Amino acid sequence: SHELTQPPSVSVSPGQTARITCSGDVLPKQYAYWYQQKPGQAPILLIYKDIQRPSGVAGRFSGSTSGTTVTLTISGVQVEDEADYHCQSADSDGHYWVFGGGTKLTVL
Amino acid sequence: EVQLVQSGGGLVQPGGSLRLSCAASGLLFSDYSMNWVRQAPGKGLEWVSHIGSRPSVTYYADSVKGRFIISRDNSLYLEMNSLRVEDTAVYYCATEGGAHWGQGTLVAVSS
Repeated sequence: SHELTQPPSVSVSPGQTARITCSGDVLPKQYAYWYQQKPGQAPILLIYKDIQRPSGVAGRFSGSTSGTTVTLTISGVQVEDEADYHCQSADSDGHYWVFGGGTKLTVL
Repeated sequence: EVQLVQSGGGLVQPGGSLRLSCAASGLLFSDYSMNWVRQAPGKGLEWVSHIGSRPSVTYYADSVKGRFIISRDNSLYLEMNSLRVEDTAVYYCATEGGAHWGQGTLVAVSS
């Protein structure tokens, strides 16, 4: 079972804004991380420590947090953004990673 | 450029064993905690195991505890014993913070 909850799917049209949420009781205590994964590829880090964006990640990807929910926002969605998105945090002791179930973003 | 290159994996019968390796370059490997993460076909990501940098404290998911062993020297390893059909997945190594991942290697457990 997942201790983080994501919607299974989100659909948007190109140029619109996509928001993917991730909820869990541990999120006020532990940082959240977001990954993008395309078929047959390894995950790529998009957001770390709730809101930080690694160098090389497009500026249209941003993270935010409010209480027990973190949100990945993709502004001006592009066709190439169609992928699975995974949130990740840690258990309350910080000993192991926990993942959400993943969200499939469809760009219509 | 940081690279994590995985090897090992393959097809094994239930009850069998496999060893995965993950070789790192472009970073001071000994300074990094490392994780193994797996993904069953069509499923989400599942954390498997963690090993610290110094000291090399280890943690395991309940689903693999007592069967899998994580270790490291100049590379990262995952020794998988008493394999079950439900262990079938692509296995990834990843650095702390998730910034770097290996390419993944398929472990298929089937008779």
